[in-house]
Amino acid sequence: KQEVTQIPAALSVPEGENLVLNCSFTDSAIYNLQWFRQDPGKGLTSLLLIQSSQREQTSGRLNASLDKSSGRSTLYIAASQPGDSATYLCAVPLSPDKLIFGTGTRLQVFP
Amino acid sequence: GAVVSQHPSRVICKSGTSVKIECRSLDFQATTMFWYRQFPKQSLMLMATSNEGSKATYEQGVEKDKFLINHASLTLSTLTVTSAHPEDSSFYICSAHRGGYEQYFGPGTRLTVT
Repeated sequence: KQEVTQIPAALSVPEGENLVLNCSFTDSAIYNLQWFRQDPGKGLTSLLLIQSSQREQTSGRLNASLDKSSGRSTLYIAASQPGDSATYLCAVPLSPDKLIFGTGTRLQVFP
Repeated sequence: GAVVSQHPSRVICKSGTSVKIECRSLDFQATTMFWYRQFPKQSLMLMATSNEGSKATYEQGVEKDKFLINHASLTLSTLTVTSAHPEDSSFYICSAHRGGYEQYFGPGTRLTVT
């Protein structure tokens, strides 16, 4: 059974810091891994999708890496800003269309 | 492209009544739609998979008679919470799948049962 966990569960940092959010999954046979952002009371915004054949993806200040063999992915946020405050979720497909979500990391960036 | 809407965004209902939530893919046809439930400060849990023109597939532990799903067209799926109770209060999110591995998520519906 695929289980996805994220650490830390919560993180509070001052503006400008570089951050690393971690995602671990128990079954390394994944098609891809996605990182999402969720603002309070809102839906999900897809940030990055890494295919199983890729090692990393970058979008602006965000960089996501994937190490299938060790069952890990990291989301790196450079020069954090208060606007980055949100919950970050990683997810892997159980099948081509079913997503299993991680436990989430609640990030707060204060000025 | 790939916009998914949900209606309503918030709903308050009395215990014992039924509530319908709509999920629409606005600019694409969705082969499959999914319904998730999220409790406060918890992650999303898949409730059911909805395919157009066929019965929904429910995850273990989800009561299909309580959470009725109808996928009438390639752009619309509805979730009806029947005989709602306070414990059904939650954030319900749908997503739509149009092929490949990527899903597109709606903005969610906050259900409060009093």
